Amino acid sequence: AQSVTQLDSQVPVFEEAPVELRCNYSSSVSVYLFWYVQYPNQGLQLLLKYLSGSTLVKGINGFEAEFNKSQTSFHLRKPSVHISDTAEYFCAAPPGGGNKLTFGTGTQLKVEL
Amino acid sequence: NAGVTQTPKFQVLKTGQSMTLQCAQDMNHNSMYWYRQDPGMGLRLIYYSASEGTTDKGEVPNGYNVSRLNKREFSLRLESAAPSQTSVYFCASSVGFNEQYFGPGTRLTVT
Repeated sequence: AQSVTQLDSQVPVFEEAPVELRCNYSSSVSVYLFWYVQYPNQGLQLLLKYLSGSTLVKGINGFEAEFNKSQTSFHLRKPSVHISDTAEYFCAAPPGGGNKLTFGTGTQLKVEL
Repeated sequence: NAGVTQTPKFQVLKTGQSMTLQCAQDMNHNSMYWYRQDPGMGLRLIYYSASEGTTDKGEVPNGYNVSRLNKREFSLRLESAAPSQTSVYFCASSVGFNEQYFGPGTRLTVT
């Protein structure tokens, strides 16, 4: 079964600085990976997804992620963050059967002035 | 389109009381899900319904029941609420395992 691990529970960063949020997955079969964002007091919304094809995936709000099979990683990056990017970010993947998703424990991104 | 709607937004229950959380989607999605979100634990799947007429247990089903009333609606019932069920509950829907669309959540406190 596939699972995802987010090692960083919190990432503080100054505005306009670059950021990387880490996600590692475990799987021996086809890989589908997702990043979701949750703004305060809201539900989750899709940021980007990797299903196949190019390993560099671009999402909304200037975020991108790179699928790295050799390192079993799908890290999320943004070259210059804004205060409005303050949110919790979740990596997710299907656990190996059906239409379900398994979510990581989340990374709280706090952008400071 | 309203997307995924959930009612109520907030609820306080006493231990032992029962309640039903309602969820509806207007995107004609086949699959619907119920999650709970607790600090430091991410989202955990309670139950899901791959299609109308079917339901399956997720990671944390104990203490909950669900009903897929029709293609649009998927309800979650707590028969006898416990303090351990204090959480934020999210409903979601999707086409297959592709993008899931989430509702705004229900904040439940059990005292």
